Amino acid sequence: NAGVMQNPRHLVRRRGQEARLRCSPVKGHSHVYWYRQLPEEGLKFMVYLQKENIIDESGMPKERFSAEFPKEGPSILRIQQVVRGDSAAYFCASSPGTGGFTDTQYFGPGTRLTVL
Amino acid sequence: GENVGLHLPTLSVQEGDNSIINCAYSNSASDYFIWYKQESGKGPQFIIDIRSNMDKRQGQRVTVLLNKTVKHLSLQIAATQPGDSAVYFCAEKISGGYNKLIFGAGTRLAVHP
Repeated sequence: NAGVMQNPRHLVRRRGQEARLRCSPVKGHSHVYWYRQLPEEGLKFMVYLQKENIIDESGMPKERFSAEFPKEGPSILRIQQVVRGDSAAYFCASSPGTGGFTDTQYFGPGTRLTVL
Repeated sequence: GENVGLHLPTLSVQEGDNSIINCAYSNSASDYFIWYKQESGKGPQFIIDIRSNMDKRQGQRVTVLLNKTVKHLSLQIAATQPGDSAVYFCAEKISGGYNKLIFGAGTRLAVHP
């Protein structure tokens, strides 16, 4: 009964490099969400995806950030040309997509991105 | 609303005591609320939820109270144990706002033996 899987757990990048964060949802879940967390703060919503569709990207920075959830394979959060301010923990959550507003989100262990 | 803060407020309790963690929300259109527990280095773990048409919901050792008049949510933990030590976040979902969760600033619970 695997939960949400994220990899890598820790990622170190130099300024200007690209970061790719992967998320495999709970088996059977069709909805994926990405959140960012700075130290000592709550999580901030970035993007909500269903298979092959971006539903809500209101929390995504307009530049350098992109996300996808292909028909096959994990969801990917991609950060191009990383800057030090991108250093944070990035959490993925998934939900079954039951259609009700109580569609509970279950979180993965996160990827901790450090930009040098 | 969005959380801002450099340091989390901390609640210190003795093992065996009851804990009450509070959360204020700002959006009247929020219709679903969730409490998450986050241990160091881990992702948030679902504890309990409540819909806006309820004012109380109980789980195992936990109770959530919702006061829509003052936009206040609380989490009560009975007989607090050392394993309850963590940061607790309330999260709200706005009606018609897709499924995104808006997280509060969090409260650190420290349980002393």
